[in-house]
Amino acid sequence: DSGVTQTPKHLITATGQRVTLRCSPRSGDLSVYWYQQSLDQGLQFLIQYYNGEERAKGNILERFSAQQFPDLHSELNLSSLELGDSALYFCASSVTGGGTEAFFGQGTRLTVV
Amino acid sequence: QQQVKQSPQSLIVQKGGISIINCAYENTAFDYFPWYQQFPGKGPALLIAIRPDVSEKKEGRFTISFNKSAKQFSLHIMDSQPGDSATYFCAARANFGNEKLTFGTGTRLTIIP
Repeated sequence: DSGVTQTPKHLITATGQRVTLRCSPRSGDLSVYWYQQSLDQGLQFLIQYYNGEERAKGNILERFSAQQFPDLHSELNLSSLELGDSALYFCASSVTGGGTEAFFGQGTRLTVV
Repeated sequence: QQQVKQSPQSLIVQKGGISIINCAYENTAFDYFPWYQQFPGKGPALLIAIRPDVSEKKEGRFTISFNKSAKQFSLHIMDSQPGDSATYFCAARANFGNEKLTFGTGTRLTIIP
């Protein structure tokens, strides 16, 4: 168990809908990262938050947004969902942004039908 | 310049043999190179990591070899066991600014009896 908790584990929703994925980082970790894992794209970095502030942005679509709350948990919001958004979404956390290991949660499997 | 290239895509090794997975990178700003192990339905778990100031790091049956001049690093699994069957990802991170992990495409390792 990495100590990073993601909910829900599975999500099935229809195209055009909006969903929210939740991540609780390891106790004491200030950085949260979101990654998307699909069969053809591997693990792609989406966005990083550090102590409530956006720190870095990767290949995140405009339909997607995230935030990190004062208690350091994070949410990834996916809207206007398309079939191609079906993937595993992982959250990872680390103590600081650099120089330390990142620990991954179990992921949320999103299926868009 | 952010790519990390990983090979092979899949690997079958006999029990007790040595499994070798290779990665190459382009960005000379990378200074942290972890390997992650992922079992089906689980998140990636940190296995072992190395920094470019050493050429080799060993933890149990797992060894990372690092060649800074060639910009290559590899994972060796000695005495491979069926329980090692998983997907392995190499990754790299620059320790300034954007601290995201850039992942290789993964290697599906199967250990046969």
